[in-house]
Amino acid sequence: ELKVEQNPLFLSMQEGKNYTIYCNYSTTSDRLYWYRQDPGKSLESLFVLLSNGAVKQEGRLMASLDTKARLSTLHITAAVHDLSATYFCALRGGAQKLVFGQGTRLTINP
Amino acid sequence: NAGVTQTPKFQVLKTGQSMTLQCAQDMNHEYMSWYRQDPGMGLRLIHYSVGAGITDQGEVPNGYNVSRSTTEDFPLRLLSAAPSQTSVYFCASSWTSGDYNEQFFGPGTRLTVL
Repeated sequence: ELKVEQNPLFLSMQEGKNYTIYCNYSTTSDRLYWYRQDPGKSLESLFVLLSNGAVKQEGRLMASLDTKARLSTLHITAAVHDLSATYFCALRGGAQKLVFGQGTRLTINP
Repeated sequence: NAGVTQTPKFQVLKTGQSMTLQCAQDMNHEYMSWYRQDPGMGLRLIHYSVGAGITDQGEVPNGYNVSRSTTEDFPLRLLSAAPSQTSVYFCASSWTSGDYNEQFFGPGTRLTVL
């Protein structure tokens, strides 16, 4: 059974700092997704990672995948307030089914 | 394109009532699914469909029914609402082939069962 664990679950950080969110999973999967959710809103796709060593960057966010360690990271560089949100990782199970982590609530303070 | 749409946005039910949450997509996606989101638990899959006429259960299907008569629509029916079904419900859709198969989510329905 595919299980996905994120940590930390809550993260409060200052603007300008760097930090990393971790996503561990229990069994192999061929796709890993990162989503962002603002309060009261839907999920917005950030990254799709397919293969070992994949790295994708968009602005201050960078996601990477290590399939051997069953680990993905979402790195935030020089955080700004606009990045405050909840971030989810999710892996594809069979037939397009997504298994989500619990989410990381990120708060960035001035 | 409207993408994935859901109605209603908010709903309050009494225990034992039934209702249908509507979901539609205009991207001709084969795959559609329903998730529920509860605090601290991420999203959990309720039911999914890989095409018209084909549905299957996800992780938490009890108390919910689905059908898929067209590619565009995938309604979720609550048969007899219970307080444990208080949640935010998201519908999603995607292609079933291709490199990314990114799922697109609707705006959600916030359901309260009293």
